[in-house]
Amino acid sequence: KAGVTQTPRYLIKTRGQQVTLSCSPISGHRSVSWYQQTPGQGLQFLFEYFSETQRNKGNFPGRFSGRQFSNSRSEMNVSTLELGDSALYLCASSLQGVSQGNEQFFGPGTRLTVL
Amino acid sequence: GNSVTQMEGPVTLSEEAFLTINCTYTATGYPSLFWYVQYPGEGLQLLLKATKADDKGSNKGFEATYRKETTSFHLEKGSVQVSDSAVYFCALSDGGTSYGKLTFGQGTILTVHP
Repeated sequence: KAGVTQTPRYLIKTRGQQVTLSCSPISGHRSVSWYQQTPGQGLQFLFEYFSETQRNKGNFPGRFSGRQFSNSRSEMNVSTLELGDSALYLCASSLQGVSQGNEQFFGPGTRLTVL
Repeated sequence: GNSVTQMEGPVTLSEEAFLTINCTYTATGYPSLFWYVQYPGEGLQLLLKATKADDKGSNKGFEATYRKETTSFHLEKGSVQVSDSAVYFCALSDGGTSYGKLTFGQGTILTVHP
């Protein structure tokens, strides 16, 4: 069974640009979550989608947005990039979410560098 | 809100030493608790979990017990190996409206020397 895949693995952008990251969950998983990982702030939750609907959202500005398609694949977009957006962006999928102790499976991440 | 606090790192041990990484949490209700591990250049992998008080999660020689009275979920291993060198994250999900959200601790870097 294929794991969670993320593309691209590495990205270099300049300030003011926008970027789109893609995530393909494990087959059959309908919940997709996104996290930002930085040395200073650690792992922070961005948002979660289930059956194309956003169910939960973290404390990030509106420049960060996402969506989910009918095949459960998900994209996140960051507009007007800032230097502070440089981070590892992790996608994670699960059958229905992590309530009740269900496991969340993580992809390898997309390393975004903003110059 | 929910929060997770891990012991400050990094932690450096010799092979075959005993490992403890402390984790305490703040949450409403009855959260589920997890330990994830991240090897260099990879995403996170679930190491073990516990879903109710007094449950013990275990995997690959690692153990952690869900202690509601002390709001803790400390990770232990009796004899570490060089291959255990990684970053370890404690996390929780609450039983209500977490949906797909895990709340993570800041991570503990473990380095094991031969």
